[in-house]
Amino acid sequence: DAKTTQPTSMDCAEGRAANLPCNHSTISGNEYVYWYRQIHSQGPQYIIHGLKNNETNEMASLIITEDRKSSTLILPHATLRDTAVYYCIVRVVGFQKLVFGTGTRLLVSP
Amino acid sequence: GAVVSQHPSWVICKSGTSVKIECRSLDFQATTMFWYRQFPKQSLMLMATSNEGSKATYEQGVEKDKFLINHASLTLSTLTVTSAHPEDSSFYICSASPGLENTGELFFGEGSRLTVL
Repeated sequence: DAKTTQPTSMDCAEGRAANLPCNHSTISGNEYVYWYRQIHSQGPQYIIHGLKNNETNEMASLIITEDRKSSTLILPHATLRDTAVYYCIVRVVGFQKLVFGTGTRLLVSP
Repeated sequence: GAVVSQHPSWVICKSGTSVKIECRSLDFQATTMFWYRQFPKQSLMLMATSNEGSKATYEQGVEKDKFLINHASLTLSTLTVTSAHPEDSSFYICSASPGLENTGELFFGEGSRLTVL
């Protein structure tokens, strides 16, 4: 799997948008960008994924640059319960295993 | 989304004993499941890929004789930590996918925290 680079930690005020960046400059054409998060002492939770188009669901939005070398996960209105480690992962669909990097520790404060 | 359940959620055992952790896909069949280990303040590390009806594939550096994996059915995979030692204390997490025909999204269990005394 292509390697991703994420900031170690970020802070966000409750109610504001949280924008989490991810660099994946060596991504291949058939690799998707996946985002998962892990709340303390729980298993990872799927958030969103995309190939090249921007995606939105009830949890977040995913913005992928045109060259696909980076992406941003957007939590539009962060809440305290969004405090977690967020992992950006790239992989080929059909090769099921996920290889986790170090992720970004997001702290949402009142 | 699909549900993956692990049991037990936490276990404490004596050094030298063996511990079995179960991973079940509750509402879908999973031909492949994955086992991860996570030490405090670290990321998840993939240990092995569990294939139904065949031998598991272990990642480099993971001892297959110490971490026994059995995937006897399409909804159950087990991880047995044999002759556990304190350094095996960790958070063990499994994941499974409903299949290749969808987006390939993986669902994760709640994790099992093992403490070896």
